[in-house]
Amino acid sequence: QKEVEQDPGPLSVPEGAIVSLNCTYSNSAFQYFMWYRQYSRKGPELLMYTYSSGNKEDGRFTAQVDKSSKYISLFIRDSQPSDSATYLCAMSRMDSSYKLIFGSGTRLLVRP
Amino acid sequence: DTGVSQDPRHKITKRGQNVTFRCDPISEHNRLYWYRQTLGQGPEFLTYFQNEAQLEKSRLLSDRFSAERPKGSFSTLEIQRTEQGDSAMYLCASSAFDQETQYFGPGTRLLVL
Repeated sequence: QKEVEQDPGPLSVPEGAIVSLNCTYSNSAFQYFMWYRQYSRKGPELLMYTYSSGNKEDGRFTAQVDKSSKYISLFIRDSQPSDSATYLCAMSRMDSSYKLIFGSGTRLLVRP
Repeated sequence: DTGVSQDPRHKITKRGQNVTFRCDPISEHNRLYWYRQTLGQGPEFLTYFQNEAQLEKSRLLSDRFSAERPKGSFSTLEIQRTEQGDSAMYLCASSAFDQETQYFGPGTRLLVL
């Protein structure tokens, strides 16, 4: 079993929809939680970063972390075709060099 | 701040050849990471430098792989005697000492024929 599980999709939604992306993890020692967006053949781009449980909002994006359930989410409001990409969740621990453990990514397609 | 850069962006080589990739991190970022990403998967950690010291290596990093960061600035990743299974995207990321967030470069896509 992988440390971080993520539904690979693809997830197809119409423009303007609210998108929900999720990851579960098994290691309760993770402290830092990130979401990256990756366009085809490009490097991952940091979207959101949260520490411990709670919510964080940045524009159309909201990240949620529920450490008790080992579950993290990314919500995208008013989705746009330009949001079509692969979304990767990642997490790390201070006592493990902060190296990132990634999910396998969810492909999102926003239809015009 | 020009971001993390990697060179080359693409490399095609024949099995058994050696290849070397370069990563230039964001200036003043003293942490540097290498990851490998295969199709349909998330990046997997390979190795980590703090300044010039290589502090952690993954079991994925066989003895054919070597990484250096000689002056604590740019880093190189060398693969000797390449195998078809080495075909992947090699990603470099950097972070500042007091930050947990890592910023990635565009990657080097390796194809071993």
